Amino acid sequence: GNSVTQMEGPVTLSEEAFLTINCTYTATGYPSLFWYVQYPGEGLQLLLKATKADDKGSNKGFEATYRKETTSFHLEKGSVQVSDSAVYFCALSAFGNEKLTFGTGTRLTIIP
Amino acid sequence: EAQVTQNPRYLITVTGKKLTVTCSQNMNHEYMSWYRQDPGLGLRQIYYSMNVEVTDKGDVPEGYKVSRKEKRNFPLILESPSPNQTSLYFCASSFSRSSYNEQFFGPGTRLTVL
Repeated sequence: GNSVTQMEGPVTLSEEAFLTINCTYTATGYPSLFWYVQYPGEGLQLLLKATKADDKGSNKGFEATYRKETTSFHLEKGSVQVSDSAVYFCALSAFGNEKLTFGTGTRLTIIP
Repeated sequence: EAQVTQNPRYLITVTGKKLTVTCSQNMNHEYMSWYRQDPGLGLRQIYYSMNVEVTDKGDVPEGYKVSRKEKRNFPLILESPSPNQTSLYFCASSFSRSSYNEQFFGPGTRLTVL
């Protein structure tokens, strides 16, 4: 079946540091890949997505590239801010299926 | 404002006392689903619905029921809650059945079953 493996957290960084959160997946066919973010006390919201190989999703300074050869979708940001503190979830949905399969989430804390 | 709403946001109950968590969306979305979020497990799908009167089991359906009588509403029913259903629950919706579509999530319902 489909699965998503994410980097274990928690991750603590200083403001303006470079961020990478690793995500790899197992799926049949060609899934769509997503990063969702959950701010404290809120529901999940879509951060970015990519629907085919070599696509790059980007939003709010975050980027992730769909790498089919390494089955990866790592999240990166060049300079993090305190406001980026949240839990980040990598997820996939298989072609023809709306269900999202999530990773376990990575809690990110940015200190000033 | 386009949104998914859930009620209640917090609920403490006792084993065996039936409860319903409501979910409503105002975006005319066809697809709705329920997830539960547990530490170390991420989010897992409980049930989903592709349209009115069409529902199906997700990965962890045991102990839950749902109904979809109207397009906008998708309540989650726990007929006899047990402590292992203590969790954070999210309702989500999207425009149609497609792997490309963004899902919109409600704010969550934190349920404690004593």
